[in-house]
Amino acid sequence: GAVVSQHPSRVICKSGTSVKIECRSLDFQATTMFWYRQFPKQSLMLMATSNEGSKATYEQGVEKDKFLINHASLTLSTLTVTSAHPEDSSFYICSARTVEGEAFFGQGTRLTVV
Amino acid sequence: ELKVEQNPLFLSMQEGKNYTIYCNYSTTSDRLYWYRQDPGKSLESLFVLLSNGAVKQEGRLMASLDTKARLSTLHITAAVHDLSATYFCAVEPGTYKYIFGTGTRLKVLA
Repeated sequence: GAVVSQHPSRVICKSGTSVKIECRSLDFQATTMFWYRQFPKQSLMLMATSNEGSKATYEQGVEKDKFLINHASLTLSTLTVTSAHPEDSSFYICSARTVEGEAFFGQGTRLTVV
Repeated sequence: ELKVEQNPLFLSMQEGKNYTIYCNYSTTSDRLYWYRQDPGKSLESLFVLLSNGAVKQEGRLMASLDTKARLSTLHITAAVHDLSATYFCAVEPGTYKYIFGTGTRLKVLA
C-alpha cells in the first residue's frame, strides 16, 4: 500500500509554545489530506480536511486559529498547534487519499503539553 | 447527525473461540473500512468493502457489508492472542472523509 509519513512521532512542549506536525505522502500525490485527533481509549475525531493550494475545511467545534493547517504541496500537509495547552495533549493522526480513493494513515504524533 | 456505532465496545474472549463485531451506521456510504489499532500506534488497514454483499477474508478475520441494513460485521474465527487490539470501522458518506466508529477493544485471553 501507499506510505504516509508523519513526523515527529512524539513531542513534548511547554504551555504557550507552538508545535508543528508534518504529514507526507511518500510515493503518491495527495490533493486531500485529513487530520484526526484521538484521546486515550476513544475513537478518531476528524479535525479538518486539508486541501492542496487552498484553505483547510474545519469540522464543527475545531478552532481554526488554534490548529493551523497548511497544504503547500501535493505531498505535504502540516498541522501547527498554536499556543498549546495541556488540554491539547492528544494523539494526532494524518491520512492521505490516493486517486483510487483509499486513505492511508501516518504513524501518528503523541503530543504532550506540560 | 451521522453516527457510526460498534458493538460491543469491549470484548474479552478465550483463544479458540469465535465472535462477531458489528458496525452500524446511520447514513448511506459508498464504502466501508475496517482498521486495527495497537496501543500507541496508528491504524492498520484490514479490509475495504466496496459494495453491498461484499465479503473479504484474511486469515482469521472476515468482513462483510450489507448496505441496505447499513451494517458491517467483522467475524473472528478461532481467536489467538495476537488479535488483541482495538478495531475500528469507518464509513465514507460521499464527502471523501472518513467517519470512524466507536471502536471495539478486543482482548484475547490465552
